[in-house]
Amino acid sequence: DAKTTQPNSMESNEEEPVHLPCNHSTISGTDYIHWYRQLPSQGPEYVIHGLTSNVNNRMASLAIAEDRKSSTLILHRATLRDAAVYYCILRLHNTDKLIFGTGTRLQVFP
Amino acid sequence: DTEVTQTPKHLVMGMTNKKSLKCEQHMGHRAMYWYKQKAKKPPELMFVYSYEKLSINESVPSRFSPECPNSSLLNLHLHALQPEDSALYLCASSKASSGYNEQFFGPGTRLTVL
Repeated sequence: DAKTTQPNSMESNEEEPVHLPCNHSTISGTDYIHWYRQLPSQGPEYVIHGLTSNVNNRMASLAIAEDRKSSTLILHRATLRDAAVYYCILRLHNTDKLIFGTGTRLQVFP
Repeated sequence: DTEVTQTPKHLVMGMTNKKSLKCEQHMGHRAMYWYKQKAKKPPELMFVYSYEKLSINESVPSRFSPECPNSSLLNLHLHALQPEDSALYLCASSKASSGYNEQFFGPGTRLTVL
């Protein structure tokens, strides 16, 4: 399975933008890029996904490099409730598998 | 209803016990999943059911036995577990087998094996 590489941890102040990077140099043409987050004591929660184009939704934006070997999850204004572990995941088009990487632990300070 | 429910929330069992974990969703999803998550580690896929048939078994030991009685319900039967099996067990569901369908996760069952 293709792998993702993320920094172990990042910090942000409240109401500032946060850019969470992910490298996936072994991505293939049919792999979707998914982001999930896991708040303390909860199950993972879907954030966003994309294939080739940048994507926006109410939670975040996903910027995908032109060669698709990296992507960045953007939280436009971090809140204390955004403190979580953020997982970048590659998922093949016709598979049920989500293979989680090690994730980035985001701390948000008031 | 966009919720996946799991019972029980916590479970303590001995190595000779038999117990079951239950997962339920009423979103009409046809794919359901079991994951295992150790402390400070990412979730690891165990099993996938697609249209009530087991489609993926990630080489999980036979002391874990999944069952999908109907499209809304997923069970994980536990027997003769080891202390190293103590973990958070997460259930998830999604619309169908596709790379772009999001998975909805339950809150998990925290299992302790003594």
